[in-house]
Amino acid sequence: AQKVTQAQTEISVVEKEDVTLDCVYETRDTTYYLFWYKQPPSGELVFLIRRNSFDEQNEISGRYSWNFQKSTSSFNFTITASQVVDSAVYFCALSGGQGGKLIFGQGTELSVKP
Amino acid sequence: GAVVSQHPSWVICKSGTSVKIECRSLDFQATTMFWYRQFPKQSLMLMATSNEGSKATYEQGVEKDKFLINHASLTLSTLTVTSAHPEDSSFYICSARMNTEAFFGQGTRLTVV
Repeated sequence: AQKVTQAQTEISVVEKEDVTLDCVYETRDTTYYLFWYKQPPSGELVFLIRRNSFDEQNEISGRYSWNFQKSTSSFNFTITASQVVDSAVYFCALSGGQGGKLIFGQGTELSVKP
Repeated sequence: GAVVSQHPSWVICKSGTSVKIECRSLDFQATTMFWYRQFPKQSLMLMATSNEGSKATYEQGVEKDKFLINHASLTLSTLTVTSAHPEDSSFYICSARMNTEAFFGQGTRLTVV
């Protein structure tokens, strides 16, 4: 069975601090995809990144970076120099193969205070 | 990029009535769509997989007679909440996959009074 665990339910930081959101996954598939989404209070899911199981290269996009470690089944997300606008719920998700359903983690609510 | 449009974005209905939510893929064909439900402060839970031209596949614990799913075309899936009750109040969101990508609708906030 597939499972995604985001152990951090809530995180509160002060603006300009760096923050890392943890994501650990379980799957028996050899081909799978990992996602991160941001959900602001409006509810809409904002896509952040998709990573396939064969690509372990870390990725950086502006203040965002992701660390994919297959050896520990983790796909952690770091926000550098956090801003108040980063406040939202962040979800990590997993799908097996192409076109399949996404299994979401519990979500981490990030609060960035000025 | 591809867009999935969901309508309405919010709805308030009386207990006992039915509500239909539409999910459209605007610029691609989606043979499969997914319906999720999200209660406040909780994660997105998959309710069912909607397959074009065939019956939907429901997750364990989801009442198929209460949550009717119709996927009559390659660009439209509908979720009808029948005989809605206050406990059905939730955020419903649909998704469509195109190859490795996943696209989500804007979500529908349902309040049953």
